[in-house]
Amino acid sequence: AQSVTQLGSHVSVSEGALVLLRCNYSSSVPPYLFWYVQYPNQGLQLLLKYTSAATLVKGINGFEAEFKKSETSFHLTKPSAHMSDAAEYFCAVTGGYNKLIFGAGTRLAVHP
Amino acid sequence: DVKVTQSSRYLVKRTGEKVFLECVQDMDHENMFWYRQDPGLGLRLIYFSYDVKMKEKGDIPEGYSVSREKKERFSLILESASTNQTSMYLCAIPREGNSDGYTFGSGTRLTVV
Repeated sequence: AQSVTQLGSHVSVSEGALVLLRCNYSSSVPPYLFWYVQYPNQGLQLLLKYTSAATLVKGINGFEAEFKKSETSFHLTKPSAHMSDAAEYFCAVTGGYNKLIFGAGTRLAVHP
Repeated sequence: DVKVTQSSRYLVKRTGEKVFLECVQDMDHENMFWYRQDPGLGLRLIYFSYDVKMKEKGDIPEGYSVSREKKERFSLILESASTNQTSMYLCAIPREGNSDGYTFGSGTRLTVV
């Protein structure tokens, strides 16, 4: 069965610092992987996706993620954090029947 | 643009009430999903449907049931609402096959008192 583990429920960075949000997955089949972002009081928005093409995936707002099969990881990074990046981030993996299995989420705080 | 419409944005119900949450899509998609979102737990799958009158339990189906009489409509039913069902409920459909994630509804924040 597929599952997702997000390491760190809260991450705090300074403005301009590197953002690294960790996601490890378990899947018995080649996975599709996603990162979603949820800004305060808003719905979920797709940030980026991996669908077996390039292993380094670029998304919106300067975020990117690298699929590493050997490590079963799909960590999300951004070189320089901005105050507007403060949000909750969810990693997800596909299951059968087009299901998405989500991680518990990581809340990113950005301080001046 | 694909639309997934949830009928209520906020609901307050009493313990023991039967509660219906409605979701309507305009994409004619076979698959529809109900999740609940809770702080620290992420999104957890309650039920999904892969065709009219077809349903499958997700990870946390206890206390819930669903109905899919028409392709465009997928209803989540709380048979007897309890305070631990206070949550944000999200309906979703796949965007394009299996590779493009979901389109989510705007959510229903249910409070059971």
